[in-house]
Amino acid sequence: DIVMTQTPLSLSVTPGQPASISCKSSQSLLHSDGKTYLYWYLQKPGQSPQLLIYEVSNRFSGVPDRFSGSGSGTDFTLKISRVEAEDVGVYYCMQSIQLPLFTFGPGTKVDIK
Amino acid sequence: QVQLQESGPGLVKPSQTLSLTCTVSGGSISSGSYYWSWIRQPAGKGLEWIGRIYTSGSTNYNPSLKSRVTISVDTSKNQFSLKLSSVTAADTAVYYCAREPVTYYYDSSGYYYRLRAFDIWGQGTMVTVSS
Repeated sequence: DIVMTQTPLSLSVTPGQPASISCKSSQSLLHSDGKTYLYWYLQKPGQSPQLLIYEVSNRFSGVPDRFSGSGSGTDFTLKISRVEAEDVGVYYCMQSIQLPLFTFGPGTKVDIK
Repeated sequence: QVQLQESGPGLVKPSQTLSLTCTVSGGSISSGSYYWSWIRQPAGKGLEWIGRIYTSGSTNYNPSLKSRVTISVDTSKNQFSLKLSSVTAADTAVYYCAREPVTYYYDSSGYYYRLRAFDIWGQGTMVTVSS
C-alpha cells in the first residue's frame, strides 16, 4: 500500500504571509495514463473536508487562487500565497492511483499567529 | 445542490455491529455517475477510507477492514448504508459518507479529467464504541 507523509504536521502563520506544506508518497503517483492522482483537502474546524486541488495542481471549483499545488512523482507541495484567517484547519493530501484504495496523509494543522 | 446526511446510533457496544445510513438529497443515487463511499476519522486523527459502492451494487473495501465491512445501497430510498461488525474501541470515530464522480469533465481551462476523489461529503456522525 502507498503511504503518504506530510511535513510539517503543524504550522503557525502570520496573516498575509505565505505557507507551504509538503506531501510525499511511498510510490510514484504517476499513472500509466499520464495523470498524477494527488489531491489536497482542507478540513476547517468542525467541518467536513473540502477539496482544494485535484491532480497535483488544478484548483477545484470555487477555490481561491492563493492556493496552488505543484510536484511530481512522489513529492508534492501545497502553497498558500497569502494566508487568511479562513484558511485555518487541517490540510490533507490524498492519493488515488491505487484505486479502489484511497489513502490520506496524516494532515498538517495550520493556525494563525 | 446535492447533500449527504449520515444517520445512525451514536453509541455501539463492543463486539456488536455498527450500522449507519447516508441519505442523498438533491440528486439521484441511481444516476450512475458516482461511487458512494464511507470514510472515518478517529478523534484527533486522520482520515481512513472504508469502502464504496456503485449504483449497480458493486463494492470495494479497504483491505484492512474488508472482513468486517458491508456497504449496501437502497435506490428506492436514495440511501446507502454501512455495516461494520465486531466493533471495538478502535472503531470509535466520526463517520462520513462522500461522493466520488465517475464521469469525465472539462474544467474552466479545458483540461479533461475524471475526479478520482470525493467532491461532496456529509457533515459526519460520531460513533462511540463503549459498553
